[in-house]
Amino acid sequence: GENVEQHPSTLSVQEGDSAVIKCTYSDSASNYFPWYKQELGKGPQLIIDIRSNVGEKKDQRIAVTLNKTAKHFSLHITETQPEDSAVYFCAARPGENTPLVFGKGTRLSVIA
Amino acid sequence: EAGVAQSPRYKIIEKRQSVAFWCNPISGHATLYWYQQILGQGPKLLIQFQNNGVVDDSQLPKDRFSAERLKGVDSTLKIQPAKLEDSAVYLCASSPQGDTQYFGPGTRLTVL
Repeated sequence: GENVEQHPSTLSVQEGDSAVIKCTYSDSASNYFPWYKQELGKGPQLIIDIRSNVGEKKDQRIAVTLNKTAKHFSLHITETQPEDSAVYFCAARPGENTPLVFGKGTRLSVIA
Repeated sequence: EAGVAQSPRYKIIEKRQSVAFWCNPISGHATLYWYQQILGQGPKLLIQFQNNGVVDDSQLPKDRFSAERLKGVDSTLKIQPAKLEDSAVYLCASSPQGDTQYFGPGTRLTVL
C-alpha cells in the first residue's frame, strides 16, 4: 500500500523567513496530495492541495510543488508569521474515493 | 456552512470499559471517515463510509471497534472493551465526492 514519508519532524524558523517541508510517496497511482495544518486541540485544517496533473500551486504565502517522476512533493511557506506555528501534515490519496495516507507531521515553530 | 461536528470532545475511561463517539458530517457529504490519531503521528484510517455503506474497514480492529452510519448521515464509533493503547484522538472527516476531506475537532480519548 501507499507509504508517505515526511521531513523534517521539527522545524524552527525566524519570523519572516521561509519554511519548506518535504514528503515522498511510494504509490505511483496516487493522484491527490493535500496539506493540512493542525493547531493544538483542533482537527486538521486543509490549507492547500495539488493534483497529479499540476506541478505547482500557490495561494498567497503558501505554495506546493509536485514532482511525479521522483514521487515527492513539498510545502513552501514564505514570510512566516507566529500564527503559522502548528503541526503540518502531508497526505497522498492512492486512488479515486480512497482514504488519505498521512505523513507523520512536521512541528513548525516560528520565532518572533 | 457548518463544519464537521463531533462529540464528546474529551473522554476518560478505564480499560475494559466501553465508549462511543458521535459525528455529524457536513450537510450533503456522502463520504464519511473515522481516523485514529495517536500522539505524535498522522491520522490513520479506521473506516470509510459511502452514504450508509462501508467502503473500507480493513484497518478497523473489529474485535473491539464497531461503527455505523444509519440513514447515511450521522455516524457513531464504539470501542468495547477499551485498551490502554486505544488512547488517541478520534477524528471524523467528510467529503462531498471522496475528494477533499474536511475534519472535525476530534475526540480525545484517555484510557486509564
